[in-house]
Amino acid sequence: EAQVTQNPRYLITVTGKKLTVTCSQNMNHEYMSWYRQDPGLGLRQIYYSMNVEVTDKGDVPEGYKVSRKEKRNFPLILESPSPNQTSLYFCASSPISSYNSPLHFGNGTRLTVT
Amino acid sequence: AQTVTQSQPEMSVQEAETVTLSCTYDTSESDYYLFWYKQPPSRQMILVIRQEAYKQQNATENRFSVNFQKAAKSFSLKISDSQLGDAAMYFCAESTSSNDYKLSFGAGTTVTVRA
Repeated sequence: EAQVTQNPRYLITVTGKKLTVTCSQNMNHEYMSWYRQDPGLGLRQIYYSMNVEVTDKGDVPEGYKVSRKEKRNFPLILESPSPNQTSLYFCASSPISSYNSPLHFGNGTRLTVT
Repeated sequence: AQTVTQSQPEMSVQEAETVTLSCTYDTSESDYYLFWYKQPPSRQMILVIRQEAYKQQNATENRFSVNFQKAAKSFSLKISDSQLGDAAMYFCAESTSSNDYKLSFGAGTTVTVRA
């Protein structure tokens, strides 16, 4: 089944404890992206990647890191999480053939930082 | 910067009735796409419908249709014959050719369906 898989689904951590949210897609998509969803703000892009070893900042990149060593994986790293990073996170992917290709989303990761 | 505005935080509709969700955007690009995504309580983001800016005809997908008013930069979603399974948060989003595939989302509208 074609899908984007995020793990974990829920994560509770404490301020300053490094964490990684994994994202993997099995559709051979070039484009991958991370969004965070907050009430009243919709979804905002954190980072994106057009292909392996190519990553770029989105609208809200501060406090986050990403890497794209393999085409299928695009982990989101929080080196020193803070409470303002408590949010719902989505990984998404699409083929790069056209910008009208709809994004395929993972099931989301609910992160709480205390 | 792209801005997508959904002015209705919540909407309520009686089962089998019709509800319309509003969305405005402000891109200066001539080539762009507009989308509506549905997010049920399961959190999954589900594509409902999409519209190409250069197409005059409004997109339709079963009970879902859009009213695309390009000059007014308006992109409303109409849900006809509402069903209990339509209860969800709905997001309007925009993508332009110059913006590296980024989707810019509105704040969302929560739709409640009354039985």
